[in-house]
Amino acid sequence: EADIYQTPRYLVIGTGKKITLECSQTMGHDKMYWYQQDPGMELHLIHYSYGVNSTEKGDLSSESTVSRIRTEHFPLTLESARPSHTSQYLCASSEFDRGVDGYTFGSGTRLTVV
Amino acid sequence: GEDVEQSLFLSVREGDSSVINCTYTDSSSTYLYWYKQEPGAGLQLLTYIFSNMDMKQDQRLTVLLNKKDKHLSLRIADTQTGDSAIYFCAEINQAGTALIFGKGTTLSVSS
Repeated sequence: EADIYQTPRYLVIGTGKKITLECSQTMGHDKMYWYQQDPGMELHLIHYSYGVNSTEKGDLSSESTVSRIRTEHFPLTLESARPSHTSQYLCASSEFDRGVDGYTFGSGTRLTVV
Repeated sequence: GEDVEQSLFLSVREGDSSVINCTYTDSSSTYLYWYKQEPGAGLQLLTYIFSNMDMKQDQRLTVLLNKKDKHLSLRIADTQTGDSAIYFCAEINQAGTALIFGKGTTLSVSS
């Protein structure tokens, strides 16, 4: 049973629209992450957070922004969507940096910008 | 820079063993992971190995680690059609901030 939830699962939106992808976890994990998965299936880290009010950019430059006001919630926002933002977005959380538990992933949001 | 490399495709027959290979760059990685992604889903942690181990077995899964060559493999015994998925190898990045993933190996199992 998934303890990390992403909504919506699928989203088709017009260019220029503002969108927020939701991610919530019920495990009390401090660390949360957003990955962008391109059509070739490669995963790129775009944002991460180590706790409330902590956000950092990842390895792949992204025009999106994130916030972490509550431990369980880590939304990702695109102020003005473009076709180049079309991708699958995966949210994850973990308890430890290098711990044995690895990451728990949500089911993803597949975003299409037309 | 950091990199995790995997072969992109593997095709096997049901009942055969599958071996998925991965090479990584960061010799300081404490844990190395294997994740599975089924169509339309997120990633699911399959297994992991601690860097001071050479082998770990978990039911049909066997992970082999060769630290000298920075080579990691995942063997699936008696492969089933339900094992068809994309398999990702992962390690912690040098900054210790997040996992970095290989490009994934698509395993196709035919009956």
